[in-house]
Amino acid sequence: GQQVKQSSPSLTVQEGGISILNCDYENDMFDYFAWYKKYPDNSPTLLISVRSNVDKREDGRLTVFLNKSGKHFSLHITASQPEDTAVYLCAAGENQGGSAKLIFGEGTKLTVSS
Amino acid sequence: EAAVTQSPRSKVAVTGGKVTLSCHQTNNHDYMYWYRQDTGHGLRLIHYSYVADSTEKGDIPDGYKASRPSQENFSLILELASLSQTAVYFCASSLGTGRGAETLYFGSGTRLTVL
Repeated sequence: GQQVKQSSPSLTVQEGGISILNCDYENDMFDYFAWYKKYPDNSPTLLISVRSNVDKREDGRLTVFLNKSGKHFSLHITASQPEDTAVYLCAAGENQGGSAKLIFGEGTKLTVSS
Repeated sequence: EAAVTQSPRSKVAVTGGKVTLSCHQTNNHDYMYWYRQDTGHGLRLIHYSYVADSTEKGDIPDGYKASRPSQENFSLILELASLSQTAVYFCASSLGTGRGAETLYFGSGTRLTVL
């Protein structure tokens, strides 16, 4: 089964609003969680990541919330802009001596409308 | 500028033919990965390597081989290409140790169409 799942394939948000992207995972051993952003015909790039020893991490307009008991993490984007329109991929993995064997979700296509 | 470059950018192959996708990184990273992207599946790990001359199976290795002849180069080989292998393939590298070890740096992707 899908170890990392993004249940919403798409999301539309008004410019200036808050975009909330969700991700669920199955493996209790996952200790690293990340969000990647992908524009069409481009490669994914890391947006923000957290380790399992924190519940929240902020970086500018981005905040990652980690709920370990619920096996859920989310990305909040405040003051959403049209340039935030992209596919967002969540990823999770287990630290195995440095290997970033990340498991990715299916992606959520975010559209920010002006 | 550090980078991960893939070649070719796109390729059309015939069923049963051999396909080799190449990846070169100048990041001086130990780890390299091959992922495939399909609609509705996100990115799935095919093979990875943490040192030259050694490769490891990922989550979906069947039908694929990998080769890491040097730290900089990592190839994905489809000995007998099949229709189901039509996808976009991404190569990536990561540091492996230290701060930011898990961050993946992706190439631009190779769009493979098997007819």
